[in-house]
Amino acid sequence: AQSVTQLDSHVSVSEGTPVLLRCNYSSSYSPSLFWYVQHPNKGLQLLLKYTSAATLVKGINGFEAEFKKSETSFHLTKPSAHMSDAAEYFCVIIQGAQKLVFGQGTRLTINP
Amino acid sequence: NAGVMQNPRHLVRRRGQEARLRCSPMKGHSHVYWYRQLPEEGLKFMVYLQKENIIDESGMPKERFSAEFPKEGPSILRIQQVVRGDSAAYFCASSPSWTATNEKLFFGSGTQLSVL
Repeated sequence: AQSVTQLDSHVSVSEGTPVLLRCNYSSSYSPSLFWYVQHPNKGLQLLLKYTSAATLVKGINGFEAEFKKSETSFHLTKPSAHMSDAAEYFCVIIQGAQKLVFGQGTRLTINP
Repeated sequence: NAGVMQNPRHLVRRRGQEARLRCSPMKGHSHVYWYRQLPEEGLKFMVYLQKENIIDESGMPKERFSAEFPKEGPSILRIQQVVRGDSAAYFCASSPSWTATNEKLFFGSGTQLSVL
């Protein structure tokens, strides 16, 4: 079965510093991977997706993620954090068609 | 073009009552998915429906939970005889019917169910 593990339940960075949210995956075949963001009291928004094209994927709001097969990782990064980035982030993998499997989530806090 | 609409936004029920959660997919979408998010956890798949059909309900609890997506009207997630453990955020997502292997879902803002 497909699965993802988010290595940090909570990450705290200062505004203007880089962001790194870590995700490892387990898959018996070439996976489709996503990052979603959930702001308080709002629905989920797709940040970016990897579907076996380029290994470096650029998303919205300056986020990007790199697919590394040798490390089974799909970490999310951003060069410079903004206060509006404070939210819950989910690494997600597709299991079969139509079914998403979510990681446990990483809560990102931005300090002024 | 309205997104996926869920209502109510918040629902409070006492133990033993019934909860009905509604989801109106985006215009032109005929595939609906329900996910549940327990406190401090990620979302867990519950059920996948197309118009008038349940395609995959492997994530649904065996008892008290049911879902439907009629030909007309919203999709309904129904929880009978609610217990405190049902307290969670329930998210609905929809996708367009032409997508063969869906990689992008549009999520609603969720319904927060609180069982007293």
